[in-house]
Amino acid sequence: DAKTTQPPSMDCAEGRAANLPCNHSTISGNEYVYWYRQIHSQGPQYIIHGLKNNETNEMASLIITEDRKSSTLILPHATLRDTAVYYCIVRGTGANSKLTFGKGITLSVRP
Amino acid sequence: KAGVTQTPRYLIKTRGQQVTLSCSPISGHRSVSWYQQTPGQGLQFLFEYFSETQRNKGNFPGRFSGRQFSNSRSEMNVSTLELGDSALYLCASSLQRGDYNEQFFGPGTRLTVL
Repeated sequence: DAKTTQPPSMDCAEGRAANLPCNHSTISGNEYVYWYRQIHSQGPQYIIHGLKNNETNEMASLIITEDRKSSTLILPHATLRDTAVYYCIVRGTGANSKLTFGKGITLSVRP
Repeated sequence: KAGVTQTPRYLIKTRGQQVTLSCSPISGHRSVSWYQQTPGQGLQFLFEYFSETQRNKGNFPGRFSGRQFSNSRSEMNVSTLELGDSALYLCASSLQRGDYNEQFFGPGTRLTVL
């Protein structure tokens, strides 16, 4: 079972920041938070991951609370092409760990 | 560098038949994972192959099987197809096992079982 809880959907205006929340209250110390997204009819795409520090790359920023029980994915300037299902995933380290996808959150970016 | 390729992209079969799907990972990637995506169950992990050996397996019946070749290409097979096997089957590759920050997904094979 997925270890994360996400609202089913949200929307934002094009050009504005999109803040996607995720709860992972049962996360353990060695588990990472990963974000993937899936644009309609395509395979999922890796966005970012983090352990406890905030992370930023060319696509997004990941803010993890100090207690690590929740996180927020930030798309700083959302475009129409960012409309997708976004999956927040908690995964441990080790070769046998695997990605367990939940239902994700559907982000709709409006013009 | 070419991405993950999956063939065929679309497939229609009837109940009771079997099907084989193919996945070519990114050059140099040695781990291949398979997922099933349906509207009801979402994205579910099927299995992972590395160095021609199945390393990890999800909760699917034995009708679902796979293999990996020495060039890292992978195939998955579903025997005795059921209507519920209609789904998008996704393949993902990564350099090493557990290296999910570098896991790249293919476009998927859309299987319809009639």
